[in-house]
Amino acid sequence: AQSVAQPEDQVNVAEGNPLTVKCTYSVSGNPYLFWYVQYPNRGLQFLLKYITGDNLVKGSYGFEAEFNKSQTSFHLKKPSALVSDSALYFCAVRGSARQLTFGSGTQLTVLP
Amino acid sequence: GAGVSQSPSNKVTEKGKDVELRCDPISGHTALYWYRQSLGQGLEFLIYFQGNSAPDKSGLPSDRFSAERTGGSVSTLTIQRTQQEDSAVYLCASSPRPGTGTDTQYFGPGTRLTVL
Repeated sequence: AQSVAQPEDQVNVAEGNPLTVKCTYSVSGNPYLFWYVQYPNRGLQFLLKYITGDNLVKGSYGFEAEFNKSQTSFHLKKPSALVSDSALYFCAVRGSARQLTFGSGTQLTVLP
Repeated sequence: GAGVSQSPSNKVTEKGKDVELRCDPISGHTALYWYRQSLGQGLEFLIYFQGNSAPDKSGLPSDRFSAERTGGSVSTLTIQRTQQEDSAVYLCASSPRPGTGTDTQYFGPGTRLTVL
């Protein structure tokens, strides 16, 4: 079985400060890891993914994520947060099965 | 190019009625997925289609739920005898052929189903 944990329901950060949204995972075999963002009344928008290779993955809108195999983590980061980054963020894992298993989501609020 | 589209965007129905939800995947994508997003259960996998292979139905919550994919493109999710607990946002996603190295799932805007 595969699972994802997002330990923080809510993350607040001031505009211009760095942000981190945490994610840990459990999966058999090699993990394929994803981050998606959801704005109100919208579907999920792909941000970035880790398949193999460099542990630091860069994605859309200045976001990046660091894959840490020993800690089974894939935290989402951004050096300087924008108010427009405020949204619901989901971490997801895919193992041998094709479907994604999602975390419970983290609501990010960037304060002006 | 065009993304995944879903219709209707909103559906309100009465308990016991049947509903059909439609998904148009990205052109050329061979894989199609249905997920459900609800307050209590988060994002849950429902069913997966890949080309002409038999679908993976392991996520369907009951036999009231079924889905088909015609001609390897458009998919319809059918819920029979709807119950209030079926109220959720139903999300469709598509991805390119597995093994191409770009197996990212792209999501549609969802259909919000409300069962009264």
